[in-house]
This record gives sequence, C-alpha cells and structure tokens, in this order.
Amino acid sequence: GALVYQYPRRTICKSGTSMRMECQAVGFQATSVAWYRQSPQKTFELIALSTVNSAIKYEQNFTQEKFPISHPNLSFSSMTVLNAYLEDRGLYLCGARLSSQNTLYFGAGTRLSVL
Amino acid sequence: GEKVEQHESTLSVREGDSAVINCTYTDTASSYFPWYKQEAGKSLHFVIDIRSNVDRKQSQRLIVLLDKKAKRFSLHITATQPEDSAIYFCAASKNNNNNAPRFGAGTKLSVKP
Repeated sequence: GALVYQYPRRTICKSGTSMRMECQAVGFQATSVAWYRQSPQKTFELIALSTVNSAIKYEQNFTQEKFPISHPNLSFSSMTVLNAYLEDRGLYLCGARLSSQNTLYFGAGTRLSVL
Repeated sequence: GEKVEQHESTLSVREGDSAVINCTYTDTASSYFPWYKQEAGKSLHFVIDIRSNVDRKQSQRLIVLLDKKAKRFSLHITATQPEDSAIYFCAASKNNNNNAPRFGAGTKLSVKP
C-alpha cells in the first residue's frame, strides 16, 4: 500500500529561525506532493502543490520566500519554514499521490512549535 | 478559489444509528470529493471519495452522495460503531494533477455505546 513518511514528527524552534521538514513516499511514485498546515483550532490550509516537471503552485498567503519547497525526485519532497514565528505553529502535513490518481495519501505530519 | 464548508462541527450519535455529515462547495469546476478521517493524535486517513460523474457511491457502511446542482455532498455512516469516532474532513478539488483538495473545517463525530 501507499505509505508516506514525514520527518521529524515534532520540532521546536526559536522565533526567527528556520526549520526544514521532509516527506518520503514509499511504495509508489509521488508525481505530486501537496503541503498543508493545520493551525490550532483550524482546518487544513493548502500551502502549495508541487508536481514533478511543473512549477510549484503556492496558495494565496503562502510564498516561496517563506516556504521554499524542493521536490527533486518521485519519492522525496522537503519544505522549509523560514523565519518561523508564533503564527507558523501547527501540524504540517504532506500528501502524495500517483499521477494516475487523485487520492492524496498523507504522512503523520510534522508538528512545529515556536518559542 | 474553492471554499468548502462543513456544516456540523460536532455530531453525536448512539452506536448502531446512522451519522450524516454535510458539506457544500463553491467552485462549479470541482469534480473530485474525497473524505478523510483524523483520529486523536493521528494524521489524515483516506476514507472514501466520489467523482462528479456519479451521484452516489457506497463502500461497506459508508455512502457518499453528491448533488452537483446544489454543490452539496454528504457522508453517511450506517450502523455506527464506537471506533468510527473521529474528526471527519470533506474536501473538493478539480479532477486533474494541477490541483490539490481544499478541506472543510472538520466534523467531530462521537459514537456513544
């Protein structure tokens, strides 16, 4: 079955510093990876969609300058939260899918706390 | 862009009863509607989906209905069990690789024995 691993599971960073999180697809080729954030008491906000051989598509309120994403191959993606502040706290999920399907399979998430 | 609204923030049912969670969407171009479940402390787990070429889909105790005219879709869980208790999220997207689903706010379902 489709498995998606995210690392680290939890992380704490100081305000103003940066934090990189990773997403690994196991058992399938992830032609698209979507990154989401679930802030406290909120739903899952789409940050960006990364599709191999296409430009990364960021949502309004999220920018490449703040959340740079790398998707170098069909099994791996990473996203960095630059200059993290309190409002960046939350659970960051990556969802990966095969090119032939719409279904996103999610990792367990990276929970970011900012001090 | 697409906005998905999930009408019930909480829902409580007795074991064995049915639970219904309703969602609406705004973008008429949306054609793919997945549902996910989040158990306490865990990630999103895919449950069932429906595409706009049908108006009903069933998988065991789960039924999804889609009303494209009203831009409304719903998840019906029949013969509920305590282990169905979780937060359920509906989502909507266009049916191609250049789009990712937008999620509703979630419905916390409690199934009481």
